[in-house]
Amino acid sequence: SYVLTQPPSVSVAPGKTARITCGGNNIGIKSVHWYQQKPGQAPVLVIYYDSDRPSGIPERFSGSNSGNTATLTISRVEAGDEADYYCQVWDSSSDHYVFGTGTKVTVL
Amino acid sequence: EVQLVESGGGLIQPGGSLRLSCAASGFTVSRNYMSWVRQAPGKGLEWVSVIYSGGSTYYADSVKGRFTISRDNSKNTLYLQMNSLRAEDTAVYYCARVVGAEGHLDYWGQGTLVTVSS
Repeated sequence: SYVLTQPPSVSVAPGKTARITCGGNNIGIKSVHWYQQKPGQAPVLVIYYDSDRPSGIPERFSGSNSGNTATLTISRVEAGDEADYYCQVWDSSSDHYVFGTGTKVTVL
Repeated sequence: EVQLVESGGGLIQPGGSLRLSCAASGFTVSRNYMSWVRQAPGKGLEWVSVIYSGGSTYYADSVKGRFTISRDNSKNTLYLQMNSLRAEDTAVYYCARVVGAEGHLDYWGQGTLVTVSS
């Protein structure tokens, strides 16, 4: 089965840039989606199809995908960005949806 | 406005059965792909099952043969029938709408907690 690997945690100072990676075999040929989840809340879609933003998501959130790594970038980080972030793809070989292991972003 | 509301969670003994419901509003369940995702306490997201608009269904290996996803078009509601429950099925269960091929989950419910314990 397809596996997505994320760093367990990322720490960033306010106003700086946070980069969260999502590693998978040849992930660059897949569409990657990203979700933000705050404690006690349902996940919220923040990036879809590698780099598109749903309405209402700040431009500070951006995404890229190439080779074996997809990246979610949060620019000018704010305290409110502190959350868990998950990447997700659809595995066509099994018709399964796959989530990454998750990354906890801490704002210092 | 799109809304998803799950219900049916609770405390159940190992080996028991439970049916979760997800009432949708603002869109038609039968015309969309719909999925269940779960999250064990303190753990990450785990995809559970999907039903496509054409009716095809798929399951994670961890629940295949025990869980069944279905929908009632007249009630615009998604279901997850869970049988032979195990302690490791304890989790918050979310329903979500899936958009398009290589789909992303654009709307999620608030989740319902299932606790499997004696």
